[in-house]
Amino acid sequence: AQSVTQLGSHVSVSEGALVLLRCNYSSSVPPYLFWYVQYPNQGLQLLLKYTSAATLVKGINGFEAEFKKSETSFHLTKPSAHMSDAAEYFCAVSLFSGGYNKLIFGAGTRLAVHP
Amino acid sequence: DSGVTQTPKHLITATGQRVTLRCSPRSGDLSVYWYQQSLDQGLQFLIQYYNGEERAKGNILERFSAQQFPDLHSELNLSSLELGDSALYFCASSAGTDTQYFGPGTRLTVL
Repeated sequence: AQSVTQLGSHVSVSEGALVLLRCNYSSSVPPYLFWYVQYPNQGLQLLLKYTSAATLVKGINGFEAEFKKSETSFHLTKPSAHMSDAAEYFCAVSLFSGGYNKLIFGAGTRLAVHP
Repeated sequence: DSGVTQTPKHLITATGQRVTLRCSPRSGDLSVYWYQQSLDQGLQFLIQYYNGEERAKGNILERFSAQQFPDLHSELNLSSLELGDSALYFCASSAGTDTQYFGPGTRLTVL
């Protein structure tokens, strides 16, 4: 069965520092993986997705993620944090079967950025 | 703006009542999904519709039901509401099995 584990429910970084949000997945088939961001009182916005093409995926707002099959990981990084990056980030794996599709989400990581 | 719209933004009601949440998918998307986000359960998949037909069910209670209409908009009906049903309810849409785009959500408060 597919599942997602996000390590660290809260991450705090200084402005300009590296952002690293960790995601490990479990899947019996090659997965499609996603990172979504949720700003306060808003919906989920797609940051990036992995769909079995390039293992290094670039997304919006300077974020990128690397798919590592050997480590079953899909960590999200950004070289230099900005105050506007403060939000909650969700990693998700997509489960396809018999014509249906659902996302299984991790518990989320809340990112705080300090001046 | 994802192109997915949800109404209302906020809903406050009492235990035992029934409410209807509405979702309009992005233009051209045939699939609609409903998710519930709560503090204790996180983001949980409820149900998927594709072109008017139910395709998949997740952790959806029997008190909850949904449908997708010929114009592709969808409604989520929640009945016999309990305090624990207070949550954010998200609708998402996709073109088939592609990326899901989420609406802004409906915040339900049951008093």
